Amino acid sequence: SQTIHQWPATLVQPVGSPLSLECTVEGTSNPNLYWYRQAAGRGLQLLFYSVGIGQISSEVPQNLSASRPQDRQFILSSKKLLLSDSGFYLCAWSKGSTDTQYFGPGTRLTVL
Amino acid sequence: QKEVEQNSGPLSVPEGAIASLNCTYSDRGSQSFFWYRQYSGKSPELIMSIYSNGDKEDGRFTAQLNKASQYVSLLIRDSQPSDSATYLCAVKWGDSNYQLIWGAGTKLIIKP
Repeated sequence: SQTIHQWPATLVQPVGSPLSLECTVEGTSNPNLYWYRQAAGRGLQLLFYSVGIGQISSEVPQNLSASRPQDRQFILSSKKLLLSDSGFYLCAWSKGSTDTQYFGPGTRLTVL
Repeated sequence: QKEVEQNSGPLSVPEGAIASLNCTYSDRGSQSFFWYRQYSGKSPELIMSIYSNGDKEDGRFTAQLNKASQYVSLLIRDSQPSDSATYLCAVKWGDSNYQLIWGAGTKLIIKP
């Protein structure tokens, strides 16, 4: 069966500091990968998605970036965090031929 | 504009009753529809997907799709306190290969 991991689970960072969140998927190959952000009491905002190694599409202009160095690894980064970057960051995967997305446990980021 | 709309709630339902959650969408070309459940502080988990007009049943859950009226609903029979959560509706847009458009969710409270 497939498993998706995210770390860290929680993170408190000062404004202006860098960020690196990691997501890995096990038990499947060539997954589509997604990064979402969920602000408190809000819906899911798609940030990035990737259909293959090195292929990243950005949905929202911001100070975040994403990379996919390996088939089942997806990384979300920032050089300088803003207060507005606080939220619940979710990584998800889907198989290319299907639409259903499955989520990792998430990372709760607080920027102070 | 791509929109998926849900009543934010909270929707309060007595234990043992039927909970009815609704979702409307703006793209007539949409083909895939999903219901996710999200407990407070946790990531979304898939309940059901539905692709064709009509009803689809899975245990206590029934998804209903009406493409002509552009709505999809989720019925929960014999509601339990453990069903208390936020329910997210997601729609795959007709012109999108991979992206889901998400509603903001309906908070459901089951009263014992």
